[in-house]
Amino acid sequence: GNSVTQMEGPVTLSEEAFLTINCTYTATGYPSLFWYVQYPGEGLQLLLKATKADDKGSNKGFEATYRKETTSFHLEKGSVQVSDSAVYFCALSKESNDMRFGAGTRLTVKP
Amino acid sequence: EAQVTQNPRYLITVTGKKLTVTCSQNMNHEYMSWYRQDPGLGLRQIYYSMNVEVTDKGDVPEGYKVSRKEKRNFPLILESPSPNQTSLYFCASSLSPAVYNEQFFGPGTRLTVL
Repeated sequence: GNSVTQMEGPVTLSEEAFLTINCTYTATGYPSLFWYVQYPGEGLQLLLKATKADDKGSNKGFEATYRKETTSFHLEKGSVQVSDSAVYFCALSKESNDMRFGAGTRLTVKP
Repeated sequence: EAQVTQNPRYLITVTGKKLTVTCSQNMNHEYMSWYRQDPGLGLRQIYYSMNVEVTDKGDVPEGYKVSRKEKRNFPLILESPSPNQTSLYFCASSLSPAVYNEQFFGPGTRLTVL
């Protein structure tokens, strides 16, 4: 079945460091891919998405490129801030009503 | 403000005592869903609803019930809660179940069953 695997956390970085959170997926065809972010005490909110191969999603300085050849959708940010501390979830949707989430990666950014 | 609300936010109960977690959205969304979040497992879908009076099981429906009598409300019912239902629960909605649509999440309900 469809599934998402993302790197285990927690990840701890200093402010202004480069961030990569790896995400790979298993699915037939061309799923839509998402990154959601969960700030402490809140629900998930969409960070970015890509709906076809080679698309790049971007938002708030975060980027991820839909790589069909490597079945990946890695999240990157060039310079993280303390306010980016959160849990990040990679997700895919292939059929209607079948969104699959990764286990989540907790990021802590220290000043 | 467009939002998904859940109540209560925190609940401690005992085994076997029926409870309901309410969920409401004000965006006129067709699609609503319930998830549970457990450490190391991400989010798993419990039930979903394509529209009023249309509901179906997700990946982990055992021990839960839902109803969708109005478009805006989608309550989650635990008829006889057990300790393995201790979890963080999220309600979500989207305009439609299309694969590219964003889901909007409520703030979560942390349930502890003793």
